[in-house]
Amino acid sequence: QVQLQQWGAGLLKPSETLSLTCAVYGGSFSDYYWTWIRQPPGKGLEWIGEVNHSGTSNYNPSLKSRVTISVDMSKNQFSLKLNSVTAADTAVYFCAKTGGFWTGYFDSWGQGMLVTVSS
Amino acid sequence: DIQMTQSPSSLSTSVGDRVTITCQASQDITTYLNWYQQKPGKAPKLLIYDASNLERGVPSRFSGSGSGTSFTLTISSLQPDDFATYYCQQYRSLPYSFGPGTRLDIK
Repeated sequence: QVQLQQWGAGLLKPSETLSLTCAVYGGSFSDYYWTWIRQPPGKGLEWIGEVNHSGTSNYNPSLKSRVTISVDMSKNQFSLKLNSVTAADTAVYFCAKTGGFWTGYFDSWGQGMLVTVSS
Repeated sequence: DIQMTQSPSSLSTSVGDRVTITCQASQDITTYLNWYQQKPGKAPKLLIYDASNLERGVPSRFSGSGSGTSFTLTISSLQPDDFATYYCQQYRSLPYSFGPGTRLDIK
């Protein structure tokens, strides 16, 4: 059973860069896509993007100009960077794993982390 | 981008009720449709993948059906643990997208 544990800075000022990391425990890092999803307080879920073991990434066009998702296979970790944050980026950020390399359902999730952007 | 809608947005229900939640896609997504349950302060939990496949460990009172643009999640007999918010999600094409959610409340 794959487990995901995430961490990063929880309070940012406008224009700063959001940086989160997710560690993967158990399972093969190469067999899945590794994903970031966010949820503003009291609102629904938004897919941010994904990366695979070779570094191939896909991003939501709504965030593409500001987001980078990368992978460190030596540490079994993947990371999210979102630059030039505003209050609209305040959300709980989740890392997640797809059910397989060619699937798009998310069967394991990190615990979530609230990131607040405030001056 | 594919837009997902759900109905109802909220539902007051009782233990033992049969509940049906509907999800509509803005274009044909065949069966690339998943359902999640989320409780306050927790990550979503996968219930159903590919429209009708029950995730391991999920109780059999949950079932999913549909294809194309119209899908349903059914809970055959609501249990106290089922009061939560439910989301559908498509992966027919990027960017993957979620419905706005359906909240089940205790009547």
